[in-house]
Amino acid sequence: NAGVTQTPKFQVLKTGQSMTLQCAQDMNHEYMSWYRQDPGMGLRLIHYSVGAGITDQGEVPNGYNVSRSTTEDFPLRLLSAAPSQTSVYFCASSYTTGLEETQYFGPGTRLLVL
Amino acid sequence: GENVEQHPSTLSVQEGDSAVIKCTYSDSASNYFPWYKQELGKRPQLIIDIRSNVGEKKDQRIAVTLNKTAKHFSLHITETQPEDSAVYFCAADNNAGNMLTFGGGTRLMVKP
Repeated sequence: NAGVTQTPKFQVLKTGQSMTLQCAQDMNHEYMSWYRQDPGMGLRLIHYSVGAGITDQGEVPNGYNVSRSTTEDFPLRLLSAAPSQTSVYFCASSYTTGLEETQYFGPGTRLLVL
Repeated sequence: GENVEQHPSTLSVQEGDSAVIKCTYSDSASNYFPWYKQELGKRPQLIIDIRSNVGEKKDQRIAVTLNKTAKHFSLHITETQPEDSAVYFCAADNNAGNMLTFGGGTRLMVKP
């Protein structure tokens, strides 16, 4: 199993550009989520999904969209990038819809918005 | 929503000493409290977790304690080793059990 994979590893955007961060897992996990991690800070939840076709907002959803058309994939879309979105983005998944399971994190995507 | 505070933000210990990291949370309905370790440039990885029906849990040199009345939980690392150097994050779930809120992290440095 590859676990949780994310692409790209690094990305530089100009203000106003849009892009999609890809996340995929091959563990048949129901729960998937996106976090952002700013320097010296903890992880903040952007959006999450408890199964295909179901998504919901986390703590900091503004400026981001998600969809979950399959169990495996959970892409994160930046609609119009802003410098405040410069961060490291982690995707995570777990087996059940509840959280009392190990969250498996992807390797992260480093995003710089100029 | 849930608010998780973590202290200290940095902790330096000598190899072999113990390290303690403390977290407080605000939502009395929280039931699940995991701890993650993140090495520089790497992804967070779960090292131990505790549920609200348990007061303490141990796994070799790592232990976590939970005081639900006071709404705080702590990570204890004994006989620290240089490879324990990393950033440690605590977290707590929300009352619906579908979101985790993370603390701000503790950078642990173990000096050989």
